Amino acid sequence: DAKTTQPNSMESNEEEPVHLPCNHSTISGTDYIHWYRQLPSQGPEYVIHGLTSNVNNRMASLAIAEDRKSSTLILHRATLRDAAVYYCILGRDTGNQFYFGTGTSLTVIP
Amino acid sequence: NAGVMQNPRHLVRRRGQEARLRCSPMKGHSHVYWYRQLPEEGLKFMVYLQKENIIDESGMPKERFSAEFPKEGPSILRIQQVVRGDSAAYFCASSEIWDREETQYFGPGTRLLVL
Repeated sequence: DAKTTQPNSMESNEEEPVHLPCNHSTISGTDYIHWYRQLPSQGPEYVIHGLTSNVNNRMASLAIAEDRKSSTLILHRATLRDAAVYYCILGRDTGNQFYFGTGTSLTVIP
Repeated sequence: NAGVMQNPRHLVRRRGQEARLRCSPMKGHSHVYWYRQLPEEGLKFMVYLQKENIIDESGMPKERFSAEFPKEGPSILRIQQVVRGDSAAYFCASSEIWDREETQYFGPGTRLLVL
């Protein structure tokens, strides 16, 4: 399994930025870094992905370390609707099975 | 463009019965993945299929579980002779192409409860 390590939980105040870290020290050169989130009683939702360069989209930004052994998902202004479990996943060549791990449970405080 | 559809959303079975879970991928997607999520855990990969082919079933239990993705119609995950330990949420995902950068789109899941 392609292992990633994330904190079990984090808290953020509403309207403030949130930085969700992920360590993936065994990443290979061809692994993409994917982030998904799962709201209660729903299926995982795609957030963002990247390979080497930092990435931005309407939902979030992804900052990837130069050695690619870690990455950070950045939510620029947390809202109550961002409360979810966030999963950092390495997408691999063979079968591209996503290994979800336990993720980070984000609580947003009003 | 409708998203990934799964039905039923909730399924209750008694021990020993069969459970059939259906997944309709997004339009234009020919790759389907099934995952299982036990309470308080992350999703676990079960099987990866393309039309009429099982590509990778390394996550499937060896007995009682089977999956198919026929040329026409939805993908089916079938669990025979269900046991209480099969109670979980089962998610289907689909993707348009298969490469390192693919994005998988997930359905809302089927929550199976075995009594």
